[in-house]
Amino acid sequence: EDKVVQSPLSLVVHEGDTVTLNCSYEVTNFRSLLWYKQEKKAPTFLFMLTSSGIEKKSGRLSSILDKKELSSILNITATQTGDSAIYLCAVLYNNNDMRFGAGTRLTVKP
Amino acid sequence: GAVVSQHPSWVICKSGTSVKIECRSLDFQATTMFWYRQFPKQSLMLMATSNEGSKATYEQGVEKDKFLINHASLTLSTLTVTSAHPEDSSFYICSAPTGSVGHEQFFGPGTRLTVL
Repeated sequence: EDKVVQSPLSLVVHEGDTVTLNCSYEVTNFRSLLWYKQEKKAPTFLFMLTSSGIEKKSGRLSSILDKKELSSILNITATQTGDSAIYLCAVLYNNNDMRFGAGTRLTVKP
Repeated sequence: GAVVSQHPSWVICKSGTSVKIECRSLDFQATTMFWYRQFPKQSLMLMATSNEGSKATYEQGVEKDKFLINHASLTLSTLTVTSAHPEDSSFYICSAPTGSVGHEQFFGPGTRLTVL
């Protein structure tokens, strides 16, 4: 069965901490992995990863894909309260299939 | 960046009525759009894939006769919740890929449906 698993499901840190969010997948014909940040409404796009080992970076956020381990991590350094959100991982596979993980709820305390 | 709009942003209806939600790609053409629903504190659940010019593909467990999808043009897909019931109350989101398969998805802002 195709699946996407995120861990941890919930995380509480203090401002300035660094966090690492995990996403693992088991799908047929993997195409790409995407990370999203969801606050109040629809998710906003963070990264799309297709190639293994190439880090993508945007400010304090970075992500990398490991196709051998069938996983990806999302790192956030020097966290801020504005980083509090649900972080969703999604995998595109086969021709046009898509599956989301359950998400990681990150809470950053002042 | 690419923009996807949804209308309405929220709707309240009586049980038994039908509700139509529109999803539009504003500055690009989308042969495929995805429809999701999200219950409180849960992840997005893919309901169906909307294909321009052909029938939608529904995920297992999603009733195609209840959730009617019509991909009328390359920029518009509609989801109609027929004979809505309170358990259909949810947040409905659409997304569209900007290019060929594997490209990033852009999400609409979502529609909050409340069925009384």
